[in-house]
Amino acid sequence: GAVVSQHPSWVICKSGTSVKIECRSLDFQATTMFWYRQFPKQSLMLMATSNEGSKATYEQGVEKDKFLINHASLTLSTLTVTSAHPEDSSFYICSAPSTGNTIYFGEGSWLTVV
Amino acid sequence: QQQVKQSPQSLIVQKGGISIINCAYENTAFDYFPWYQQFPGKGPALLIAIRPDVSEKKEGRFTISFNKSAKQFSLHIMDSQPGDSATYFCAAQPSGNTPLVFGKGTRLSVIA
Repeated sequence: GAVVSQHPSWVICKSGTSVKIECRSLDFQATTMFWYRQFPKQSLMLMATSNEGSKATYEQGVEKDKFLINHASLTLSTLTVTSAHPEDSSFYICSAPSTGNTIYFGEGSWLTVV
Repeated sequence: QQQVKQSPQSLIVQKGGISIINCAYENTAFDYFPWYQQFPGKGPALLIAIRPDVSEKKEGRFTISFNKSAKQFSLHIMDSQPGDSATYFCAAQPSGNTPLVFGKGTRLSVIA
């Protein structure tokens, strides 16, 4: 199937710093990508829809100034967690629709804020 | 408001048995119903998916049964193996470039 790659797989950062997570579609172009957050033993929570060439659409309750999303090309979307705090520690996952709108997920990125 | 209801929350099945996970939805605009398998610390992997124009789809040991009138769909794992132990999520999507709506997940444990 189609491949969606995330980087880094895990990252540890200090409280107050910013961290960037990349999501790439490796063998298809994606005008839209989705960013999720997942807490242990819970389902995926949609954070925002990333749109190539335009602003992201954020879900209710998600701080757009804290979770900056940039979809600079048809194969790359980035999520930047700004001024990170320990409560931002989580598993972040991106996904993208491929041919026929089949949606593929990245491997996820573990963020730990210390 | 949960748009896709998934049950059971957890499931224990003996090796070789059949695992059955059920999902129900309300939104009749949904027209794509995938199942994802997620291992701890990994992203969800697409397992199998169905559209409402068919009532059943089989891929290897995995079968989706779809009941459009009842707005229900289920995943059957035949000859369940310990390697199938994972969390399974059903999802639904309206037509177009829209995000998936997920069920809450089912933790499957296959014991020898």
